[in-house]
Amino acid sequence: AQKITQTQPGMFVQEKEAVTLDCTYDTSDPSYGLFWYKQPSSGEMIFLIYQGSYDQQNATEGRYSLNFQKARKSANLVISASQLGDSAMYFCAMREDQTGANNLFFGTGTRLTVIP
Amino acid sequence: GAVVSQHPSRVICKSGTSVKIECRSLDFQATTMFWYRQFPKQSLMLMATSNEGSKATYEQGVEKDKFLINHASLTLSTLTVTSAHPEDSSFYICSASPGGGTDTQYFGPGTRLTVL
Repeated sequence: AQKITQTQPGMFVQEKEAVTLDCTYDTSDPSYGLFWYKQPSSGEMIFLIYQGSYDQQNATEGRYSLNFQKARKSANLVISASQLGDSAMYFCAMREDQTGANNLFFGTGTRLTVIP
Repeated sequence: GAVVSQHPSRVICKSGTSVKIECRSLDFQATTMFWYRQFPKQSLMLMATSNEGSKATYEQGVEKDKFLINHASLTLSTLTVTSAHPEDSSFYICSASPGGGTDTQYFGPGTRLTVL
């Protein structure tokens, strides 16, 4: 089974509008971390936001917020006030803490295009 | 903070030659670094976990004799693609974590390998 599922291959959003990128995960580990990364066309992976499985509040970082719904095993990324520079691939990833390996499992990504 | 560099950013080589890619954590020490591979329009796939002072841990299906990993110091890991073939052409990206509560992984800018 896929550990991370991103069901939206591509999304479009009007500049200055908000957009939600979906991510669901599958794990039996009680302790885990969820991450979102942005990958522009240059290829680098840029860390955006982190949510720990025991965090009570949803994580926020500037225009990025993570809508963490533990019971539904979802960790959607919300980008507010979209900018043209937000156009990129976005990857959701998970780390399972019990294994101690610290490696990340990535979803297949969502390509976001911001329309002027 | 948490900057990871990779060198070279792009390399083109002839089939049968070996290519070395360096991954450095510039402002933190990393006992563990990770090497990923990304095919066009696909997600990142973990190849191996590089451990300082010990042997790397390879994921299933990754040939350890072909992809040699050396973690010489707390700030440097190298990936050598030996006897490269066209099917090894890919985007190789490393990551490292400075540790701490979230264990966020920070990625290098990636290396695009083209084998002719």
